Amino acid sequence: DAKTTQPPSMDCAEGRAANLPCNHSTISGNEYVYWYRQIHSQGPQYIIHGLKNNETNEMASLIITEDRKSSTLILPHATLRDTAVYYCIDGPMDSSYKLIFGSGTRLLVRP
Amino acid sequence: NAGVMQNPRHLVRRRGQEARLRCSPMKGHSHVYWYRQLPEEGLKFMVYLQKENIIDESGMPKERFSAEFPKEGPSILRIQQVVRGDSAAYFCASSPSWDSPYEQYFGPGTRLTVT
Repeated sequence: DAKTTQPPSMDCAEGRAANLPCNHSTISGNEYVYWYRQIHSQGPQYIIHGLKNNETNEMASLIITEDRKSSTLILPHATLRDTAVYYCIDGPMDSSYKLIFGSGTRLLVRP
Repeated sequence: NAGVMQNPRHLVRRRGQEARLRCSPMKGHSHVYWYRQLPEEGLKFMVYLQKENIIDESGMPKERFSAEFPKEGPSILRIQQVVRGDSAAYFCASSPSWDSPYEQYFGPGTRLTVT
């Protein structure tokens, strides 16, 4: 079962920032936080990951709280193409690097 | 650098037939994962393979399903004697053998329909 909890759905206006929260209540000290998204009918797409520090790449920013119990994925200027289901995952850190997907957050970007 | 390739993209099989799904990982990637997404459900891990080895098959149904990743060629997910409940999207992902194993790159999926 998934270890993270996310709101089932969110929406935002095109051009505005989308802030997607995630709770990692059972995360261990050496487990990374990963974010993926799945645009309708496509394969999941890796977005970003982090351990303790905030991270930024060309797609998004990741904010991780100091206690690491929650994170926020930020899409700074959402476009219609960002409409997707977003998944946050924290790694199980065993010998099998399988991703355990929860239900995710369905983000709808409105024109 | 080509991404993860899967074929066929769509596969229709009658009940009792065999389905073979192929996955070519990204160049330089030696870890392959298979996930299944049933209609209106989330993605579920099936199996994790490295070249010629099955590392974790804890998500694979015990019967009718098998996977391989030979030294040469693509990874194959094989479903024998398909049933209607096998209808789903099957996604393959790959990652390099170092650094960030959870940074997995997914293919476009194979949509299996069992009639």
